[in-house]
Amino acid sequence: EVQLVESGGGLVQPGGSLRLSCAASGFTISSYWMHWVRQAPGKGLVWVSRISGDGTTTHYADSVKGRFTISRDNAKNTLYLQMNSLRAEDTAVYYCHYFWSDYWGQGTLVTVSS
Amino acid sequence: DIQMTQSPSSLSASVGDRLTITCRASQGISNYLAWYQQKPGKVPKLLIYSASTLQSGVPSRFSGSGSGTDFTLTISSLQPEDVATYYCQKYNSAPLTFGGGTKVEIK
Repeated sequence: EVQLVESGGGLVQPGGSLRLSCAASGFTISSYWMHWVRQAPGKGLVWVSRISGDGTTTHYADSVKGRFTISRDNAKNTLYLQMNSLRAEDTAVYYCHYFWSDYWGQGTLVTVSS
Repeated sequence: DIQMTQSPSSLSASVGDRLTITCRASQGISNYLAWYQQKPGKVPKLLIYSASTLQSGVPSRFSGSGSGTDFTLTISSLQPEDVATYYCQKYNSAPLTFGGGTKVEIK
């Protein structure tokens, strides 16, 4: 059974940092582009970032460019999202996603508030 | 960047009705368009990719069409279990922008 399990969310003050992790099982992520998608409470889906299978190519939404960094450790079968300079508008559930087989994690909630 | 605009933002229809949801790209994206269904409290589920290819296991009452800038998702006969928010997403190139969503309710 394929599972994507996110962790690392929580409450952080504006300007703070968090690192999200997405551990995959039943599925080897090393060959595939992986994505982060977020959803603010009661709002729509927003694509955040993606990374190539070998980790050499990354893309970001304009809203997070320069603040967030996506990375991966294929040996650990894990995807990461380093989030710096967090703002209130970054408050959301963050999902990791493998697009082509439509695998989603259950999401991890990030709350940015003082 | 290419913007994705969905309409309507919400709709209410009766069981058995035919529904059409529209997604418009601000520039051509060929057929690199996916449709998702998200039920309350659940993660999204892929319904259609390549604008018109039904994902395995998705009921045949769902269909997609379009190419270039204009796309539609059609539910041929609305069922109670179709209550959800529907999103389109472009995936020809980054950013892989989602539309704003269409919330579907039963009258």
